[in-house]
Amino acid sequence: DQQVKQNSPSLSVQEGRISILNCDYTNSMFDYFLWYKKYPAEGPTFLISISSIKDKNEDGRFTVFLNKSAKHLSLHIVPSQPGDSAVYFCAASKISTDSWGKLQFGAGTQVVVTP
Amino acid sequence: EAGVTQFPSHSVIEKGQTVTLRCDPISGHDNLYWYRRVMGKEIKFLLHFVKESKQDESGMPNNRFLAERTGGTYSTLKVQPAELEDSGVYFCASSQHLGQGRTGELFFGEGSRLTVL
Repeated sequence: DQQVKQNSPSLSVQEGRISILNCDYTNSMFDYFLWYKKYPAEGPTFLISISSIKDKNEDGRFTVFLNKSAKHLSLHIVPSQPGDSAVYFCAASKISTDSWGKLQFGAGTQVVVTP
Repeated sequence: EAGVTQFPSHSVIEKGQTVTLRCDPISGHDNLYWYRRVMGKEIKFLLHFVKESKQDESGMPNNRFLAERTGGTYSTLKVQPAELEDSGVYFCASSQHLGQGRTGELFFGEGSRLTVL
């Protein structure tokens, strides 16, 4: 049973425009959410996170929004740049345990930023 | 500072053979995790070490998989005997141990790609 879902396997966006990536989760016990970025032949790298006590977290061009009632989060990238072309993974965890690093990942969304 | 390193980067073996993957975490990181990504699907948790102890091995698929972390430094993940469905990319990640209720950053290695023929 997949507890974190990314229903869009791919997204194509023009350079300079906004990229919006979506993620849904089913487990209401999750209280910590993260986005990772992955280039080919590399490991995932941390991008941005948000705890369940917030509904928005911003870091430069990246903003994550959390809607707990809908069990939905999204990542906005503004403006999109060619270097943003990568696979983006949504992940969820529970801070309340000692295993916050036990992440449940979505299947990823391949983002392609075109000139 | 060296990141998380994994070896080998790619291993091709036949069904029934044994493979051992190695992970060297970032120095000083007590938490070590193994994850696996199969066929371009989601990255799945396998297990979690705190120092040399297995904190959580609920994600290990079956008893053909054996993970060790002797001395609390590097870790190995052995698959014996390997089956076709074990093919995938095995990621190791490490983090500092900050205690319950506190989060840190999880650093991933580049992964070890396993192909079972």
